[in-house]
Amino acid sequence: DSGVTQTPKHLITATGQRVTLRCSPRSGDLSVYWYQQSLDQGLQFLIQYYNGEERAKGNILERFSAQQFPDLHSELNLSSLELGDSALYFCASSVTGNPQETQYFGPGTRLLVL
Amino acid sequence: GENVEQHPSTLSVQEGDSAVIKCTYSDSASNYFPWYKQELGKRPQLIIDIRSNVGEKKDQRIAVTLNKTAKHFSLHITETQPEDSAVYFCAATLANDYKLSFGAGTTVTVRA
Repeated sequence: DSGVTQTPKHLITATGQRVTLRCSPRSGDLSVYWYQQSLDQGLQFLIQYYNGEERAKGNILERFSAQQFPDLHSELNLSSLELGDSALYFCASSVTGNPQETQYFGPGTRLLVL
Repeated sequence: GENVEQHPSTLSVQEGDSAVIKCTYSDSASNYFPWYKQELGKRPQLIIDIRSNVGEKKDQRIAVTLNKTAKHFSLHITETQPEDSAVYFCAATLANDYKLSFGAGTTVTVRA
């Protein structure tokens, strides 16, 4: 157990809908990363937050947004869902957000868009 | 950003043999190279990492080598065991960047 929690574990929804994925970092970690893992795409970095502020952006679609709250938990919002958004979404956390420190991954949320 | 290529995509080895996975990166300014292991249905976990000021690093049966001139780094697993079966991801990051760029992953199967 990495200490990073994610809810829900599984999510099934329909195209066009909106969902929110939640992540709580390890105690003491200030930075949160979001990744998308599709079968044919490996681990794709989406976005990083540090202490409530956006720090880095990767290949995140405009239909997706995220935020980190004062208590350091983070939410990833996915809207106007398409079939291709079906994937495993991981959250990871680290202490300072320096990419050269270990990132601890949560168990992931498996999203299925029908 | 950095572009990381990983080979092979799948690797099957006999238990006890060695496994080698190679990654190449595009930006010579990259200076940190971690390797993550993801067992089936589980989360990725860091298994070893190397920084650009070091050529090789070992941790029991796992080693990573870095060739900065050729811009490639490799994961070596010796005396493979069934529990080594997993997907392995390499990654790289630039000194002034805040994100890790991951390779596409290598599925390693250790045959008993």
